[in-house]
This record gives sequence, C-alpha cells and structure tokens, in this order.
Amino acid sequence: SQQGEEDPQALSIQEGENATMNCSYKTSINNLQWYRQNSGRGLVHLILIRSNEREKHSGRLRVTLDTSKKSSSLLITASRAADTASYFCATPFVGGYQKVTFGTGTKLQVIP
Amino acid sequence: GAVVSQHPSWVICKSGTSVKIECRSLDFQATTMFWYRQFPKQSLMLMATSNEGSKATYEQGVEKDKFLINHASLTLSTLTVTSAHPEDSSFYICSARDLNRDLAGESSYEQYFGPGTRLTVT
Repeated sequence: SQQGEEDPQALSIQEGENATMNCSYKTSINNLQWYRQNSGRGLVHLILIRSNEREKHSGRLRVTLDTSKKSSSLLITASRAADTASYFCATPFVGGYQKVTFGTGTKLQVIP
Repeated sequence: GAVVSQHPSWVICKSGTSVKIECRSLDFQATTMFWYRQFPKQSLMLMATSNEGSKATYEQGVEKDKFLINHASLTLSTLTVTSAHPEDSSFYICSARDLNRDLAGESSYEQYFGPGTRLTVT
C-alpha cells in the first residue's frame, strides 16, 4: 500500500521562482527517493537521500529529510518551464528493501 | 546508460483478448524488474516483482492468472494481460534494477524506468 503522501497536490509558479514539495511517510525508512514524471512518460530518478542524511543537493535540487517527523521536502530553485512535471517521493516497502512505494505526487506547472 | 525500453508504447485491443507488453534493459542486466500500473492523475501502484528464472511475486490484490509475468532472460520481462476488460485500461510501467551495481555493492536502490505502455481496452 502507498505510504507516501505529497503536498501540495498541484503547484503553479512563474519561471524563475522556487518550488517546494513535501512528502510525508508512515513507517521507518533507510532511504527516500524522489522521481520526476513528464506527462504520459516513465519516471526519472532525481535523487536519493539516506536516513542518516539531513540534506542533499544535486544541481538545482535540494532535498531534506526529517526522520523524526517522517517527512522530506524537494526544493527546485530557479525553476524553468522544462521542470513542468509530476514529482513523486518513493520509500522502500516495509520488509522489502528492493521494492518501493510511491507517494501521491505533486503536479508542478512552471509558467514561462 | 541504464536505458529501459517498453514495447509497444500504446495498444488498443478488444475486450476478451490478451495483450503482451515487453520490458527490456538495453545496456545492463537486470535480475529484478518491477511492473506498475498508473491510472490517470494517480500514482504508480506496484503490481508485481519479476525475477529472472523464477516466478514473479505479486502484490496483494493483483490476480496472477490475469497478469502473467515472464522473466526469461536478464534483459527481458513480459507482462501479458489476459482476457482484457475495459477496467484493465491503464498506463503500465516497468522498471529494472542494475545487477552489476547490486553485485558491486553500489546499489542505491535506484530503479530505471521504461517509458510506459498505454493500454486501452474497448
């Protein structure tokens, strides 16, 4: 069953602004991943953060993880129209390290 | 690197027929592949884990006799939707784990996703 829930469900911003998406999960994890999906396409892995990390950067992406609150955030800085997509967090299945369960997703629209 | 392809990218079939979807890892070997389905504006739901050379493991609520999975080689897994009905219409996505990264202890749990197959059952 899904354990990740994302907030907001949809987000619309102007190009150049920052976009922040949040993910909350229910059970203990050893890592959390963020994926991006363009409309009608497969998913692209963006970043993985381990449970012993609090923050991680990759280009214009910044991910934070708060295991005490069971939450993570994805920040996209200086957004571009090409960032328009749905973003999902993914956490490992309980008892199955290979499988992941996806959150509900945030649909981001960046207006040029 | 780490490219996964799916074929076909879209298919329309009549109710009662069977449809086969292929998932291939093009430049790496994958002992484990996953099959997901995604309804419009919803998240991905894991259907089953496909293991090379052994039976697939299905998630709760997924009918294994309806969704037949075969993982005959380290680069190919197939999903066959048998006796398809309109409610089976969905976006089916596969993903794969890189065997060599797993063996080298480099696995980051990352999955490489195919582009998806849109199935419409009329």
